[in-house]
Amino acid sequence: RKEVEQDPGPFNVPEGATVAFNCTYSNSASQSFFWYRQDCRKEPKLLMSVYSSGNEDGRFTAQLNRASQYISLLIRDSKLSDSATYLCVVNDGGGADGLTFGKGTHLIIQP
Amino acid sequence: DTAVSQTPKYLVTQMGNDKSIKCEQNLGHDTMYWYKQDSKKFLKIMFSYNNKELIINETVPNRFSPKSPDKAHLNLHINSLELGDSAVYFCASSQYGPRFGYTFGSGTRLTVV
Repeated sequence: RKEVEQDPGPFNVPEGATVAFNCTYSNSASQSFFWYRQDCRKEPKLLMSVYSSGNEDGRFTAQLNRASQYISLLIRDSKLSDSATYLCVVNDGGGADGLTFGKGTHLIIQP
Repeated sequence: DTAVSQTPKYLVTQMGNDKSIKCEQNLGHDTMYWYKQDSKKFLKIMFSYNNKELIINETVPNRFSPKSPDKAHLNLHINSLELGDSAVYFCASSQYGPRFGYTFGSGTRLTVV
């Protein structure tokens, strides 16, 4: 059974702080990994893809550990606008399969 | 210009009715999907279509039927609506399958009363 597990939170973090959260996935054959962001009552939006070597996009850093089957997201200098639910997403392989979403981690940045 | 558009945005209907949700994408993507997000916020795939062929059908009741008149459209028809069908339904599209992520529509909030 394919699963993507995340701590649902909420994570309450003061503005300007650094916050990190992880997710684990069960299918070792998973090929592609993503972080999506979902604001309240909105659609999920692609935040960043996650590459084996790790990648950075501004204040956001994503890392993948294939051996332990987990993915991490680090947000530096957090802003109030970072408050959202962050969804860990995995492609289990093959063009015929869709993306598997975690239930999301709820982040609240406090002033 | 909206990339993936869904209509209607809100849908309130009585049990037993039949309803449709429409989705259109102008990105030239070759695969389209329907996802359901329940009250616990869990996103679960329902269907995907690639070049008008159904390639995924997760354990979804046969009251739900996707219809794709062309590559840019994937509509969702639901027969005999039940209370448990209340959820947000998202349409999405991707190029070359899910390897590069999806673009989602803004969702249709369905409430069955």
